Amino acid sequence: GAVVSQHPSRVICKSGTSVKIECRSLDFQATTMFWYRQFPKKSLMLMATSNEGSKATYEQGVEKDKFLINHASLTLSTLTVTSAHPEDSSFYICSARPFREYIQYFGAGTRLSVL
Amino acid sequence: AQSVSQHNHHVILSEAASLELGCNYSYGGTVNLFWYVQYPGQHLQLLLKYFSGDPLVKGIKGFEAEFIKSKFSFNLRKPSVQWSDTAEYFCAVNPDNAGNMLTFGGGTRLMVKP
Repeated sequence: GAVVSQHPSRVICKSGTSVKIECRSLDFQATTMFWYRQFPKKSLMLMATSNEGSKATYEQGVEKDKFLINHASLTLSTLTVTSAHPEDSSFYICSARPFREYIQYFGAGTRLSVL
Repeated sequence: AQSVSQHNHHVILSEAASLELGCNYSYGGTVNLFWYVQYPGQHLQLLLKYFSGDPLVKGIKGFEAEFIKSKFSFNLRKPSVQWSDTAEYFCAVNPDNAGNMLTFGGGTRLMVKP
């Protein structure tokens, strides 16, 4: 099946720093990528949808200036958590959708801990 | 707003027991339905999907799900679980007019005792 690679798998940073998370589709081109946040014992909450070459669409309540999304190519999307604070600590998961498919393929997730 | 409910948050079964996990959604129109599984320490993987046609869908690893439109349900079943089925299971819905967006249920954590 299609493979989505997410990096890093775990990051610990100091409060106030920025963290970049990469999401790559390894064996397919992804016209659309998604970023989710998963709180402990909760489901995945969609943060934003990004389409290659255009601005991301953010869900209500998600600060676009805080969570910068760039989808510069058909195989790479990045999420940058700017000026991270402890409340941003969470598990972030990306997914990618191949062209003309309705199935999303998920990355392994990134656990962010902000001290 | 669109919502997806998984009523069982935690399920504990012994090996060889039968499994049924409930999933209900609130959207009234045409939907695409999915079950994903997340094994410990691994990423979400697609178990099965329903787009149209036969409402009884067979997926990988012996799982199946039945779409009952009148009940807005898409329950997941397996006749005989194994210890290796220990994982978290997520139901997800994509309304047909909502582009690519998936709405996930809260997940069900299944533990199978050997």
